[in-house]
Amino acid sequence: GENVEQHPSTLSVQEGDSAVIKCTYSDSASNYFPWYKQELGKGPQLIIDIRSNVGEKKDQRIAVTLNKTAKHFSLHITETQPEDSAVYFCAASNGNAGGTSYGKLTFGQGTILTVHP
Amino acid sequence: AAGVIQSPRHLIKEKRETATLKCYPIPRHDTVYWYQQGPGQDPQFLISFYEKMQSDKGSIPDRFSAQQFSDYHSELNMSSLELGDSALYFCASSSNVQPFPLHFGNGTRLTVT
Repeated sequence: GENVEQHPSTLSVQEGDSAVIKCTYSDSASNYFPWYKQELGKGPQLIIDIRSNVGEKKDQRIAVTLNKTAKHFSLHITETQPEDSAVYFCAASNGNAGGTSYGKLTFGQGTILTVHP
Repeated sequence: AAGVIQSPRHLIKEKRETATLKCYPIPRHDTVYWYQQGPGQDPQFLISFYEKMQSDKGSIPDRFSAQQFSDYHSELNMSSLELGDSALYFCASSSNVQPFPLHFGNGTRLTVT
């Protein structure tokens, strides 16, 4: 099955700095890569996602890049703010397996991001 | 906007008891997923339903069962509870429009004593 490795496990930055979180996946059939933000006591919240036919996607201060050859994808947050502090998870799935396979996500281990004012 | 509703938010049970967790998807979402998140762990896929039929199965113990009803809400039934079942249980829903992003509820925290 799929295996997703996420680094770093913790990341501490100053307000206004950029933050980068990296993930690698093992299954070359994976074609959907969402990123989730999880705050204490809440469920994961989708912040951005990318499909394998796209190399980069941006939404305001958040961007994701995908390197299919290296099986590697990254989350970039610019101009970080204290409210960005949370646990971030990358995930991968193979949407071509049919049925509800897009949502059969394998998550990375999570990154605790702390943004200091 | 309406979100995924889960109930109860907290549940305390003793070993060998039974628990039922409920999930109400976002309106017009026809697909429901269940995930289990242990303390300090990443969410693990348990099971999914599309149009009231089981679609995919993950690492769900045989002691657990689930179903999706005609109004698309879903219930996760857990029997013979063990201490190791203590976790956050998340339900997520999606529509059948690609790329099917999942929207998670705020979870049910199950504590088995």
